[in-house]
Amino acid sequence: DAKTTQPNSMESNEEEPVHLPCNHSTISGTDYIHWYRQLPSQGPEYVIHGLTSNVNNRMASLAIAEDRKSSTLILHRATLRDAAVYYCILISPTGAQKLVFGQGTRLTINP
Amino acid sequence: KAGVTQTPRYLIKTRGQQVTLSCSPISGHRSVSWYQQTPGQGLQFLFEYFSETQRNKGNFPGRFSGRQFSNSRSEMNVSTLELGDSALYLCASSFGPRTGGTGELFFGEGSRLTVL
Repeated sequence: DAKTTQPNSMESNEEEPVHLPCNHSTISGTDYIHWYRQLPSQGPEYVIHGLTSNVNNRMASLAIAEDRKSSTLILHRATLRDAAVYYCILISPTGAQKLVFGQGTRLTINP
Repeated sequence: KAGVTQTPRYLIKTRGQQVTLSCSPISGHRSVSWYQQTPGQGLQFLFEYFSETQRNKGNFPGRFSGRQFSNSRSEMNVSTLELGDSALYLCASSFGPRTGGTGELFFGEGSRLTVL
C-alpha cells in the first residue's frame, strides 16, 4: 500500500497562506491524492483531491508535482478555524486497498 | 441530508468484555469503512464493507470483526477487550467502494471506547 510522508507539525499566522507538503514517492499511476483534516473532537473531513492537475475549491488548492511524487495543500488565507491535523492519503480507483492515513501534520494558527 | 451517525458516542467497558459499535451511513451510500484512532498509532484502517461484503481488512486481530446489513448500516464488534483497545472508532461512508478514488469519504464523529 502506497504511503505518504508529512511533517509532524507546522505553524502559521492568521490571514497568511499556508503550504502543507506531502511526499508520496511510491504512488501508482492511478492513485488519487486526497486531503482530509481533523478538527479537535471531530471526525476527519474532506478537503480536496486530485489526480494529475492542480485543483481548486472553496476550501483550498492542491498543487501536484509533475512526477506526482509530491503534492502541496495550499490554504490561501489561514483562519483560526483551520487549526487541525491535516492528512494526505492515496486512494486507489479500485477501492480495494487499505487506506493508510499516517500521522498527518498538526497545523497551528497564531492570531 | 443527515450525516454519518455513530452510536454510542461514548462507552466504558472492562477487560474481557465485548462491545458492538454501530454506524449509519449517509442515505444512498453503500460503502462503509472503519478506523481506529489512538494517540500513539494515529488513524488505522480496520475494514471496509460494500454491499454487505467485506472488501478489505486491516492488520488487526480476529477479535475485531464487522458486518454490513442490507440497508448499508454497519456494525463492528470487538471481543475480549484489552486495555489497548481504548480508542476513538471512526466510520466513514461513501457512495461506492471509496467512489473509485474520485469522491470523498464522509466521517462520523466516532465512538470513544474506554477499556478499564
